[in-house]
Amino acid sequence: NAGVTQTPKFRILKIGQSMTLQCAQDMNHNYMYWYRQDPGMGLKLIYYSVGAGITDKGEVPNGYNVSRSTTEDFPLRLELAAPSQTSVYFCASIGRLNTEAFFGQGTRLTVV
Amino acid sequence: SQELEQSPQSLIVQEGKNLTINCTSSKTLYGLYWYKQKYGEGLIFLMMLQKGGEEKSHEKITAKLDEKKQQSSLHITASQPSHAGIYLCGVRGSQGNLIFGKGTKLSVKP
Repeated sequence: NAGVTQTPKFRILKIGQSMTLQCAQDMNHNYMYWYRQDPGMGLKLIYYSVGAGITDKGEVPNGYNVSRSTTEDFPLRLELAAPSQTSVYFCASIGRLNTEAFFGQGTRLTVV
Repeated sequence: SQELEQSPQSLIVQEGKNLTINCTSSKTLYGLYWYKQKYGEGLIFLMMLQKGGEEKSHEKITAKLDEKKQQSSLHITASQPSHAGIYLCGVRGSQGNLIFGKGTKLSVKP
């Protein structure tokens, strides 16, 4: 039972490069979320999904894309990396009972 | 869109003192989460409140939900250096989104 697994833990990108942040959960949770956290700030919701095949924009979706082809996986795609996307990214999931939102350990991304 | 406001933004207390952190929502609360984050690390789940008037405790931390005020409070009794960190409240919206406040940074002086 791994919970929510994010990969990679660290990544340095050059401006204009693309990458995918992986998020997987093994708890059969319907709801999954992607956040970014900038220094001294709280969590900003990028995208979320209420189930396989369904995704919705959060507070700060520009520059990102997501897909949810399976219940387990919710990858976040950066197409043209920009310095403003330097941040720590967290993935989270919640089950039907909604008693706890499980978070991954985060991905620290630097765009130079 | 729903917004969460946490107060205070930061707090410095002497070890052994009690403290309270507040989280106020701009809309009706359907469930409120409290998390703690140590600097540079992931989030630690503290508790979740679902019903108005509900109160939960974990060790020396107690959280309460006031549905009418659209507010939750987190109270720490006899603070210790291990309580230091950033406390975040989160709320689920009616469409399933989960948003968080900006956090309260707590420092505990030995």
